[in-house]
Amino acid sequence: GAGVSQSPRYKVAKRGQDVALRCDPISGHVSLFWYQQALGQGPEFLTYFQNEAQLDKSGLPSDRFFAERPEGSVSTLKIQRTQQEDSAVYLCASSSRGLAGNTGELFFGEGSRLTVL
Amino acid sequence: GQQLNQSPQSMFIQEGEDVSMNCTSSSIFNTWLWYKQDPGEGPVLLIALYKAGELTSNGRLTAQFGITRKDSFLNISASIPSDVGIYFCARLGAAGNKLTFGGGTRVLVKP
Repeated sequence: GAGVSQSPRYKVAKRGQDVALRCDPISGHVSLFWYQQALGQGPEFLTYFQNEAQLDKSGLPSDRFFAERPEGSVSTLKIQRTQQEDSAVYLCASSSRGLAGNTGELFFGEGSRLTVL
Repeated sequence: GQQLNQSPQSMFIQEGEDVSMNCTSSSIFNTWLWYKQDPGEGPVLLIALYKAGELTSNGRLTAQFGITRKDSFLNISASIPSDVGIYFCARLGAAGNKLTFGGGTRVLVKP
């Protein structure tokens, strides 16, 4: 597609529910990133994929968070047993460059806003 | 937590004014980037800086990579209403795998 597409745009979950957020990166982009943005804050890094390989998951806040990109294109961020502190906007970004050539230019989606009640 | 400190946290602009914001860090970095985020959207790259002392323009925007490699500033000249939004500085990690963002400067229109 023309840009990074994320779904759903809005998700309301009851505490304890599992949620899955989808990211469709720009076609052909090698790198894919997930960020978490709390209200009034800057985006915080969660995890990074180069093609299907998850090379960095150091930002995932707990083992309730899991991300995958099985075929090197679409990615899913799954949050199990959601807690209120998980409420945030989850941003996906992609880049045509891999690790070695990363210039910092990322193309972001509009985000998925998760509200946990 | 945020390792990049942005100031001011917010500012009001009047159409036609020049505005300036900056970003500082206690560590040295090789890449500085400035992104803008509009409400309900993801951040969009405005300017990237890769060399200490570098001064780069993009239309009415000008950004500089501080000579100490610990700071950067962004200037907007002759501001217009669509300049409203949140401006984030970001640095690229040494491994090239992630951006770290500052807390943002919120630009609002004077009532």
